[in-house]
Amino acid sequence: EVQLVESGGGLVQPGGSLRLSCAASGFSFSRDWMSWVRQAPGKGLEWVANIKEDGSEKNFVDSVKDRFTISRDNAKNSLYLQMNSLRVEDTAVYYCVRVGRWGSYRYWPDYWGQGTLVTVSS
Amino acid sequence: IQLTQSPSSLSASVGDRVTIACRASQGISNFLAWYQQKPGKAPNLLIYAASTLESGVPSRFSGSGSGTDFTLTISSLQPEDFATYYCQHLNSYPLTFGGGTKVEIK
Repeated sequence: EVQLVESGGGLVQPGGSLRLSCAASGFSFSRDWMSWVRQAPGKGLEWVANIKEDGSEKNFVDSVKDRFTISRDNAKNSLYLQMNSLRVEDTAVYYCVRVGRWGSYRYWPDYWGQGTLVTVSS
Repeated sequence: IQLTQSPSSLSASVGDRVTIACRASQGISNFLAWYQQKPGKAPNLLIYAASTLESGVPSRFSGSGSGTDFTLTISSLQPEDFATYYCQHLNSYPLTFGGGTKVEIK
């Protein structure tokens, strides 16, 4: 059974940093792209970043470029999101997402963790 | 690429046929997925590649469209289908979502 368990969320002041982790199990983690998607309270979904199987390619939404870093440790089956220079508007539930369903010549997001809440407030 | 969902909310009864639209600001071929999200839960993949039903998803859900106009249809609404539905494109970065459609009980 695929499981994705996020951790590391919490309350942080504007300008601060936080590192989110996602522990993956039940599938071959090193063979799948992974993503982070966030959802502000009462709002819709926003794709944040993704990373290739071997970490050689990373992509970010413009609003977090130069502030957030995505990384992975395939030996530990873990995905990370390092968030620096946090802003109030980064407040959201952050979901770890496997991008593992193959169809129409690309992979699709198929499994989501339950999310971890990041609150940026003074 | 912007995705515009319509309507933003709707009220329907059990057994109704429900249609949700998702329009892309430019052509995205069939690189579109649909998700269902219930309150306090993570989204769940329903449809990918515009019309391919994810394994385990009931056949009352279907997707169609290509280019800029897409549709999610629920053929006969069930009590467990009351939720918010999102489309997402995977054509190019950033991989944006539509604003969501909340399906409520009439």
